[in-house]
Amino acid sequence: EIVLTQSPTTMAASPGEKVTLTCRASSSVNYMYWYQQKSGTSPKLWIYDTSKLASGVPNRFSGSGSGTSYSLTISSMETEDTATYYCQQGRSYPLTFGSGTKLEIK
Amino acid sequence: QVQLQQSGAELAKPGSSVRISCKTSGYTFTSYAMYWIKQTAGQALEWTGYIGPGGGDTKYNEKFKGKATLTVDKSSSTAYMQLSSLTPVDTAVYYCARGGFGAFAYWGQGTLVTVSS
Repeated sequence: EIVLTQSPTTMAASPGEKVTLTCRASSSVNYMYWYQQKSGTSPKLWIYDTSKLASGVPNRFSGSGSGTSYSLTISSMETEDTATYYCQQGRSYPLTFGSGTKLEIK
Repeated sequence: QVQLQQSGAELAKPGSSVRISCKTSGYTFTSYAMYWIKQTAGQALEWTGYIGPGGGDTKYNEKFKGKATLTVDKSSSTAYMQLSSLTPVDTAVYYCARGGFGAFAYWGQGTLVTVSS
């Protein structure tokens, strides 16, 4: 089973600040997927195939990485970005998720 | 637009079973796999299993073999997950999610299953 480790677990960022969330895989994966979940709602696909933004995702978001190290970056934090972000791998079964990074606004 | 409408919350006794439904609309049901994901109160997400387009095949997370059974009704474009031999550990929100882009592209609103005597 591929274990995904996200860091940090929780963070707070000021409006306009650049934010980088990290996801490390225990084995190499081809792509990474990211989901945004706001409190009380379902997760939403946010980034797919490592760097492609899902429909409606603001272009201040970006994704990058390869092998075992991936990241999600927000170029300029906004209040609406407050949420928990999960990474997920589709390389092998069982499909697995990271434990999430809770992102708050300062 | 793609919509996945799940059935309502369930309160079940230990040892019983529940069946959650996921009624879909806005796309061709037989063209996409359906996935099921468990989210516990601690927020962890676990992939439970998937059922292939139109119910052609199933694959389960080993952890949920014998626990979850996935089926579909093509006539009503509805997917189902039955959870059996329930214990308090099964208490969670369960989501259906349609495949797409190699990921879980569209999610239902979730169904809370509470197991308590």
